[in-house]
Amino acid sequence: AQSVSQHNHHVILSEAASLELGCNYSYGGTVNLFWYVQYPGQHLQLLLKYFSGDPLVKGIKGFEAEFIKSKFSFNLRKPSVQWSDTAEYFCALGPGGTYKYIFGTGTRLKVLA
Amino acid sequence: GAVVSQHPSRVICKSGTSVKIECRSLDFQATTMFWYRQFPKQSLMLMATSNEGSKATYEQGVEKDKFLINHASLTLSTLTVTSAHPEDSSFYICSARDVGSDGTQYFGPGTRLLVL
Repeated sequence: AQSVSQHNHHVILSEAASLELGCNYSYGGTVNLFWYVQYPGQHLQLLLKYFSGDPLVKGIKGFEAEFIKSKFSFNLRKPSVQWSDTAEYFCALGPGGTYKYIFGTGTRLKVLA
Repeated sequence: GAVVSQHPSRVICKSGTSVKIECRSLDFQATTMFWYRQFPKQSLMLMATSNEGSKATYEQGVEKDKFLINHASLTLSTLTVTSAHPEDSSFYICSARDVGSDGTQYFGPGTRLLVL
């Protein structure tokens, strides 16, 4: 079955620390992968997406993610987090050929000023 | 660009009544819209896929007679929770896919439903 796992449910970091949030998926075919962010009280916003090509994808606000096909992973990274990055982060899988998403359980990030 | 709105943002209703939630794509046309349900501290669960001009496709376990979906135009989809019960209380989120886009979904702000 198709699924997405986000191993870190809660992450607390100090400002300027580096961030890496894990995302692993289960699907044997072509995939589209997404990271969305949900700031407190706001709607989901697209951070970045991968469809094909360069496996290192750069998104908004200094975020990037790397698609590693052999590991079925699409981890999100940011070299230096800010207090304003406090939010919930969702990884989503879009199986190729469909437009549906399968979401991971989300990671709540708290950045301490 | 790619803004999706939902109305109402929150609604409180009595058990047994029906509630309609609207999802609009404001600056693009959406052939496909999706309806999700998000439980507290949990992820988004896809309920149904709404295609303009055709019947919605429901995910396994979602009662189509309970959650009526209509996608009458390229910018509007509605979700009606019929005969709502307290267990239907949840956060309902819609998303829309731009016509001819790469499949990226743009999300609305969600509707908080509380059934008393």
